[in-house]
Amino acid sequence: ETGVTQSPTHLIKTRGQQVTLRCSSQSGHNTVSWYQQALGQGPQFIFQYYREEENGRGNFPPRFSGLQFPNYSSELNVNALELDDSALYLCASSQVLTNYGYTFGSGTRLTVV
Amino acid sequence: GQQLNQSPQSMFIQEGEDVSMNCTSSSIFNTWLWYKQDPGEGPVLLIALYKAGELTSNGRLTAQFGITRKDSFLNISASIPSDVGIYFCAEHNAGNMLTFGGGTRLMVKP
Repeated sequence: ETGVTQSPTHLIKTRGQQVTLRCSSQSGHNTVSWYQQALGQGPQFIFQYYREEENGRGNFPPRFSGLQFPNYSSELNVNALELDDSALYLCASSQVLTNYGYTFGSGTRLTVV
Repeated sequence: GQQLNQSPQSMFIQEGEDVSMNCTSSSIFNTWLWYKQDPGEGPVLLIALYKAGELTSNGRLTAQFGITRKDSFLNISASIPSDVGIYFCAEHNAGNMLTFGGGTRLMVKP
């Protein structure tokens, strides 16, 4: 059974650019959630995808968008990057309607300069 | 929105000591979750609590769901170096999202 894999592990972007982060869910999981973790803080929910549609969203602007593919993998896209977008982006996969069965990836460290 | 306050923010203890950390909420919770995050990794679930007053153990870890449903604590007994990391409390709500506290950073001196 494979866990959640994220790519890339690190990247550096310039303010105003766009970025795409990728996540492969754990085998058997059909739901993917994305979280942003700023340095020294707890993760904050961005959104969740189930059946290739957004299934809940946190307090993030529309320039944060996502996709889920038929194989349950997912992408997080961020447009018009700002310096405050610098953070660790975590992907978590789960079965739908789970109470606690989220498996997190190791994250993508994004630095915006 | 709801807030989760964790304390202490950081702890520096001697190996072998017991550790206690807690989490309080501004609203009533139906679920309390405790996660640990190692450097360079994502959070890993340690303990899940579902009922007020529930006390659950996982090895050297013990957690309790407060009677008021607005607080929870996590205890670690006989700490070892691999206990180093950041411990987060979290709630899973009906919006299919996890809300995390700010974390307690634990450092263990051998």
